[in-house]
Formats: sequence, structure tokens, C-alpha cells
Amino acid sequence: DTEVTQTPKHLVMGMTNKKSLKCEQHMGHRAMYWYKQKAKKPPELMFVYSYEKLSINESVPSRFSPECPNSSLLNLHLHALQPEDSALYLCASSQAPTENYGYTFGSGTRLTVV
Amino acid sequence: GNSVTQMEGPVTLSEEAFLTINCTYTATGYPSLFWYVQYPGEGLQLLLKATKADDKGSNKGFEATYRKETTSFHLEKGSVQVSDSAVYFCALRGTGNTPLVFGKGTRLSVIA
Repeated sequence: DTEVTQTPKHLVMGMTNKKSLKCEQHMGHRAMYWYKQKAKKPPELMFVYSYEKLSINESVPSRFSPECPNSSLLNLHLHALQPEDSALYLCASSQAPTENYGYTFGSGTRLTVV
Repeated sequence: GNSVTQMEGPVTLSEEAFLTINCTYTATGYPSLFWYVQYPGEGLQLLLKATKADDKGSNKGFEATYRKETTSFHLEKGSVQVSDSAVYFCALRGTGNTPLVFGKGTRLSVIA
């Protein structure tokens, strides 16, 4: 299995809703990442988990809450989002948090906040 | 800090034309360099990589050579196809536990 699987593929939520995005990989990768990508822009890093511990939070608002229950799973809990949070949310993983390894990306969750 | 600069698009080419997308970087030490491709409505796929100076990464007819003297990692393909239409991102990963840094992306459209 050489994939990162993200669910759901599409999500529409209201500003008062609570929802979660899920990411799963079975490649034995020990670093996992959340990115946000707006249209026609590069991905922006949100969070990095290294060996299941949060190692980087790029000053993301608290309405986004990451969770890494085990080495294969990464969740992003969403609460009280704003319309400007609508974007493609990408999960990625890498063999180790060092420079020689590229990332494997999932197909993303396209989120619309109404 | 680390950064990547790539040519602004969009780039429009006819099928079988030669492609070059320029990418230069700023980094301390010896970073690893990557090209990612994003097809419409999809996530990013690793296209090729190079981890040290003078390395050449190649995949699906695409090539890029890590040039430390010019801090460049230009993407080339000898004959593009309509199916190559996508957004291409140059990226860098610095030494130690530093995350991937992306360029702004270059949109390529190939017309038949």
C-alpha cells in the first residue's frame, strides 16, 4: 500500500457545525502533515506530526484541532469555521522527518463552509 | 530562511513541444529538491527528486538536475503531451527536521 487516503473527498459544513477530516497511511511513515490549499495557490503548511507528537503548528487558529491517534491515522477536527476557511485540505506523510524524503500526498478533502 | 522561486505561468505549449520550467532556490546547507505535479481536482504527486548536487531526477520523460553552483533545479521534457497539462510545483526540503517548502506553482496547458 503506497497511498495516503483522505476522507471525505468533499464536505460542506455550516459555520456552527463540528466535523472531522480523516487521513490514513499504511506505509510505516512516521511523519504526517496537514496542508491547506486555496485555488491557484501552493499548499500552506498547517501542522506537522513527528512520531505521533505535534512538532509544528504554523500559528493555525484554534478552530482547527489536529489529532494523531496512532502512527497510521491523522485527524483534523473542525469547529466554528469561517467561509474563508473553504479550501482543499491535503494530508501528507513521509518516511522520516529528515530532508532526503519527499512527501506522499492524499487526494485531499475539498471543504466548503457556508 | 529557505525559499523557492519558480517561473510564473501559465505556460501554453503545443503537443510535442519542448518544456522548461525554471526553478531556483535559497537555502543553507544541502537541501533536497523535488518537483510535484497536481492534476485538476487532485492532490500532489511526486514527479522526481534529487538529494545532492549534480544528481539528475527523472520520471515519465521529465528531468531536472540539481545545480548547486546556480542554485537551480529546472524541469524539462523533450516532447509534451496533452496529458501533461497540470500545475507543477518545485519544492525544497532543508537539512534537519524542516518541512517541505513550495514554489508558487506553474500551470502548464498543452494543446493538440
